[in-house]
Amino acid sequence: QQQVKQSPQSLIVQKGGISIINCAYENTAFDYFPWYQQFPGKGPALLIAIRPDVSEKKEGRFTISFNKSAKQFSLHIMDSQPGDSATYFCAASSFSTNAGKSTFGDGTTLTVKP
Amino acid sequence: DVKVTQSSRYLVKRTGEKVFLECVQDMDHENMFWYRQDPGLGLRLIYFSYDVKMKEKGDIPEGYSVSREKKERFSLILESASTNQTSMYLCASSGPSVRGSYGYTFGSGTRLTVV
Repeated sequence: QQQVKQSPQSLIVQKGGISIINCAYENTAFDYFPWYQQFPGKGPALLIAIRPDVSEKKEGRFTISFNKSAKQFSLHIMDSQPGDSATYFCAASSFSTNAGKSTFGDGTTLTVKP
Repeated sequence: DVKVTQSSRYLVKRTGEKVFLECVQDMDHENMFWYRQDPGLGLRLIYFSYDVKMKEKGDIPEGYSVSREKKERFSLILESASTNQTSMYLCASSGPSVRGSYGYTFGSGTRLTVV
């Protein structure tokens, strides 16, 4: 049973455009929602994260939008750049239980064309 | 700069060998994890540990074991390597950070090939 569903599987965006990746979760006990960025040959790196007490969090060109009632959250990359080309994973975890073990989405491969 | 260090970037082992993958973190994190990453299958949890000498099975523990004798070190053991264990192995740790987050810090990964 997959608890975090991520879409799309791949995404191609023109330089300067907006990239949007969506995730949906099922477990209402989740209370921490990070996004990770992975470049080829590297491990994933924490990009941005949100707790469910806010509906949006912004860090530079990266924004998480969170809809608690719909159990959905999304990553928006504004003014997308070729250097943003990477695989992005959403995740969800329970902050206070189970060692903070995260459940990951399957990943989205983003290509930003110059 | 805080980090998670995996001892090998690339390994080639023979079928039936016992394989040790080592992971060390310098952040005093309580929690450590081992994942494998395969194309189209995302990140799959093998084992995790929330304290020294404590371990929990993840989603795909068969054929693997782990050891955590010290807080900073978490080892993954392939008891008898098989070709279907050829994969990228990622170690991660988590704990409260200066950013107030509980996110994972991943190592760079070990690409294991079993021949």
